[in-house]
Formats: sequence, C-alpha cells, structure tokens
Amino acid sequence: AQSVTQLGSHVSVSEGALVLLRCNYSSSVPPYLFWYVQYPNQGLQLLLKYTTGATLVKGINGFEAEFKKSETSFHLTKPSAHMSDAAEYFCAVRTHDKVIFGPGTSLSVIP
Amino acid sequence: DGGITQSPKYLFRKEGQNVTLSCEQNLNHDAMYWYRQDPGQGLRLIYYSQIVNDFQKGDIAEGYSVSREKKESFPLTVTSAQKNPTAFYLCASSIGGLEVYEQFFGPGTRLTVL
Repeated sequence: AQSVTQLGSHVSVSEGALVLLRCNYSSSVPPYLFWYVQYPNQGLQLLLKYTTGATLVKGINGFEAEFKKSETSFHLTKPSAHMSDAAEYFCAVRTHDKVIFGPGTSLSVIP
Repeated sequence: DGGITQSPKYLFRKEGQNVTLSCEQNLNHDAMYWYRQDPGQGLRLIYYSQIVNDFQKGDIAEGYSVSREKKESFPLTVTSAQKNPTAFYLCASSIGGLEVYEQFFGPGTRLTVL
C-alpha cells in the first residue's frame, strides 16, 4: 500500500536560513509525487510535482525538491526562508486513482 | 477565472441535523474529491468521483454521503450518523482518468457542531 511520512510535525527556521522539509514515501507503482502548501484557513496550493524525467524539480516561490528513488525520498528545500513561507506543507503520492497525503509539517519562520 | 468554490465558508450545525456542503468547479475536471482535515492529522479522504453518476468511498466515508449528478458539482452531506463532524472540509478536483494529476483545492468549509 502507498504511504507518505513527513519527519517533523513542526519545523522552525530563521529568516534567511535554509528550509528543509522531509518526505519519504512507499509506492508499488512508479511514484508521482507532490508538495502542497496551505496557509491558515485556506485550501491547498500546489508547490511542485514530480512525474517522470528530471529528478530535481523546481516549483513556485523558490522551492525545489529532489526525487531520490534509492532513498524513497522527496525532500523539499528553499535556500533562504522568508516570513511569508510560514505555512503547513504536505507531501503526497499518487495511487492508481487517488492521492495520499502525508500528515503535514508546520513551518515557522523566526525573524 | 477557473477554479473551485466551496460554500459556505463557515457552517454551524446542531447535533442531530444533516448539513450539505457545496462544491462547484469550472475547470472541466472529471474527478472530484472530498477531504476532512483535523489538527495534526493531515487530510483524510471521504469520497471521490472519477466521473458523473459514479463515486467511491474513501478512508472515512461513514456518516457522509455524496452525489455527482453534474460534472461541475460534488456536494457532500454530513449526516447525523457522523459522530464527530466538527472539522475543516476541503473539496478538490483533478483532470482524472487513469493518471492522477495534481489536485486543485477549494478554500474549504469549516463546520462546527454546537
């Protein structure tokens, strides 16, 4: 069965510091992987996705993620955190007909 | 502008009442989904529909019902059988078919049972 784990339910970084949010998955089919961001009391917005091809994927707002098949990981990074990055982040993997979401990581940015 | 709308944004219900949450999309997507979000638990799938007049139960379908009479609409009814309905409900849609592409989400409805 497909599943997604996100290490760390809450991550704090200083403004300008590197952001690293971890995601590991299990999938019995070639994975399609996604990162979504959610701001308070709003829906989710797609940050980036991996389907096939290049394993380093660039998304919106300066985020990127690298698909590592050997490690079954899809960690999200951003070189320099901004105050506006404070939000909840969800990693997700697709199955045959639906998407399974991880539990989420809440990112705080300290001025 | 294309997108997904959910109404109302906030909803209050007395115990024992059924309530229906609206979800409409004008993206021409075949697939639509309902999720429930509770603090610290991420998103849990309630129901999904890949095509009009067809839908499948997700992981937590008990106490909920849906219909898909039109491609654009996928209303969710929270029945009195749902023991703990207070939560944030998110509707989503995707292109659908055999390949699941990214999902587009509505702004959500926060349901509170009084």
